[in-house]
Amino acid sequence: EAGVTQSPTHLIKTRGQQVTLRCSPISGHTSVYWYQQALGLGLQFLLWYDEGEERNRGNFPPRFSGRQFPNYSSELNVNALELEDSALYLCASSRGDGINYDLHFGNGTRLTVT
Amino acid sequence: AQSVTQPDIHITVSEGASLELRCNYSYGATPYLFWYVQSPGQGLQLLLKYFSGDTLVQGIKGFEAEFKRSQSSFNLRKPSVHWSDAAEYFCAVGAINDYKLSFGAGTTVTVRA
Repeated sequence: EAGVTQSPTHLIKTRGQQVTLRCSPISGHTSVYWYQQALGLGLQFLLWYDEGEERNRGNFPPRFSGRQFPNYSSELNVNALELEDSALYLCASSRGDGINYDLHFGNGTRLTVT
Repeated sequence: AQSVTQPDIHITVSEGASLELRCNYSYGATPYLFWYVQSPGQGLQLLLKYFSGDTLVQGIKGFEAEFKRSQSSFNLRKPSVHWSDAAEYFCAVGAINDYKLSFGAGTTVTVRA
């Protein structure tokens, strides 16, 4: 079975720009989680989508947003990029919520903001 | 809100030696606890999880973890480390009310020959 795929793998943007990250879940998975992994900070929860709906949101400003499509793929959008947005963005998928069902992570998108 | 502390940022261990990674959690209700491993350039992989029952949990790759409620801990152990175990390890606690996993900052394990 194909794993969780994320695109692009690397991205360099300038402060103030906007970026869109993409995630394709494992076939049969309906939930997508987004995490930000900044250096030394571990993983910070961003968003959870399930069955096309946003179910939960972490403590991030509104310029972080996303959506989930009918095929369960997902996009993460970040507007007005700031230097501290530089991080690895990880997407994970599961058959349901990430507590009762195992999360499967992609390899991430490395975003650098200059 | 739940939180996780991993006191050790970096651990170096010799190949064949035992390994123990510490994890302390904070959560008011019964915790759902997880250990993940992230190899260089890879996403995270689930090693094991604890929901209830036997407090000693067996996972993949020869890892085990023990839940100790009195100490709010969920330490990860491996009796004999292999060079391929060099990676970053994350402990996480899940809350059943919001289905969110909160991760610790991670412990980097270096294996020396």
